[in-house]
Amino acid sequence: NAGVTQTPKFQVLKTGQSMTLQCAQDMNHNSMYWYRQDPGMGLRLIYYSASEGTTDKGEVPNGYNVSRLNKREFSLRLESAAPSQTSVYFCASSKSGLAGVAPNNEQFFGPGTRLTVL
Amino acid sequence: RKEVEQDPGPFNVPEGATVAFNCTYSNSASQSFFWYRQDCRKEPKLLMSVYSSGNEDGRFTAQLNRASQYISLLIRDSKLSDSATYLCVGGGSGGSYIPTFGRGTSLIVHP
Repeated sequence: NAGVTQTPKFQVLKTGQSMTLQCAQDMNHNSMYWYRQDPGMGLRLIYYSASEGTTDKGEVPNGYNVSRLNKREFSLRLESAAPSQTSVYFCASSKSGLAGVAPNNEQFFGPGTRLTVL
Repeated sequence: RKEVEQDPGPFNVPEGATVAFNCTYSNSASQSFFWYRQDCRKEPKLLMSVYSSGNEDGRFTAQLNRASQYISLLIRDSKLSDSATYLCVGGGSGGSYIPTFGRGTSLIVHP
C-alpha cells in the first residue's frame, strides 16, 4: 500500500499562474482533506470532502478550489497563484468524516507539496 | 483565538527525562482527539488517539479531561529520537469530523 500520495513534491509558480495539486489514497477511505502549513501557524484546513461527491470549505478556502474526482482522488486547484499561497500543502485521508468514532477519524497524510509563488 | 492551543516550546530535556505537554480546546462539543508527531520537513504521523479513560502506548500516555477541556501527552524515559514537533488535534461536533490542529509543541531531547 502506498497510503497517501501527492504530486508534485515541489513547485515554483509566478504570480497569476494556475496549477493543480494531486492527491490519491489507496486505503479505501471515505474522507479526504487539504491543509496548508506555514511557519508558526500550524496546519490549517483548506477544504475537505467527507465522502465521495461532497466537498466543504475549511478555515482558509479563499483562492482555492477542489475536486473529489472519485473515492481515491482529491485535487486542489490554485486558479491565480499569489505569493501569500507560498506554503507546504498536505493532503490527508481518514476512514470517515463523521464525528464520534475516534479510530475512524484518524488521519493519514501524504508527503506534502512545497509550493513557492514568486 | 485558535480553537486548539498549545505551548510552542521548545521543551529542551535530557535523555531519560519525563516530559508532559498540554493542549486546550475551546469547542466543548469536540468528540475526537489525537496526538500527531511531525519531524522536520515531513508529514504529520499519528502518534495516538486520546480517550477519556486515558490510553498508554509504551512510553507514551495520553489523557483527555473534558471538564477542563484539555488533552495531555506524557513521554517517559525520553529518547533522542523523540525530538520532533507534537501536534494535538480536536474536532467533531454536529455530525461531521472537522479537525482543528494546534500549532505544535517542539521537543528537543539532548544527550
